[in-house]
Amino acid sequence: AQSVTQLGSHVSVSEGALVLLRCNYSSSVPPYLFWYVQYPNQGLQLLLKYTSAATLVKGINGFEAEFKKSETSFHLTKPSAHMSDAAEYFCAVSLSNTGNQFYFGTGTSLTVIP
Amino acid sequence: GAGVSQSPSNKVTEKGKDVELRCDPISGHTALYWYRQRLGQGLEFLIYFQGNSAPDKSGLPSDRFSAERTGESVSTLTIQRTQQEDSAVYLCASSTPRSGVTWEQFFGPGTRLTVL
Repeated sequence: AQSVTQLGSHVSVSEGALVLLRCNYSSSVPPYLFWYVQYPNQGLQLLLKYTSAATLVKGINGFEAEFKKSETSFHLTKPSAHMSDAAEYFCAVSLSNTGNQFYFGTGTSLTVIP
Repeated sequence: GAGVSQSPSNKVTEKGKDVELRCDPISGHTALYWYRQRLGQGLEFLIYFQGNSAPDKSGLPSDRFSAERTGESVSTLTIQRTQQEDSAVYLCASSTPRSGVTWEQFFGPGTRLTVL
């Protein structure tokens, strides 16, 4: 079975502080991993993805995530939060043997405090 | 090029009525997905179309839900005899393999369904 767990449905950080959003997965085959962001009243857009190349993946808007196989994790980070980062973030996994079915986490709502 | 579009953007209906939600995928995308997102919750997979293969309907919550797709174009999600619990944002996404490796999903803006 495959699943995605996002620890913390709500995360609050101060502007300028480190952002850390956690994602753990379970998969019986090598996964592809994704982070999507959903800004208020908008659709989901891709932040970054891991596809078995470099384990440290850089995305848009200064975000990055590191694939750690030993920890089955793909946590999302940003060194310095900006007010515009306030959004809902979803971690997702697809399986390398199919590649076309996605399993989404329940999401983490990020609040940035001025 | 144009992204994934969905219509209507908002739909308010009365309990017991049928509704149809439409999704126009990105041209050339072979795969199309429907998800449901209830308020404050994550994405719930509903159904997946891939080319001319039989759709994966494993996520449909009841027989009141159905979806069709004509070839690799428009898809319609139909909810019959709507219930208040059907109120949610319904998201459509399309994708196609890039370099034969990974399928990045492109999402539409969603249809917000409210059942009174």
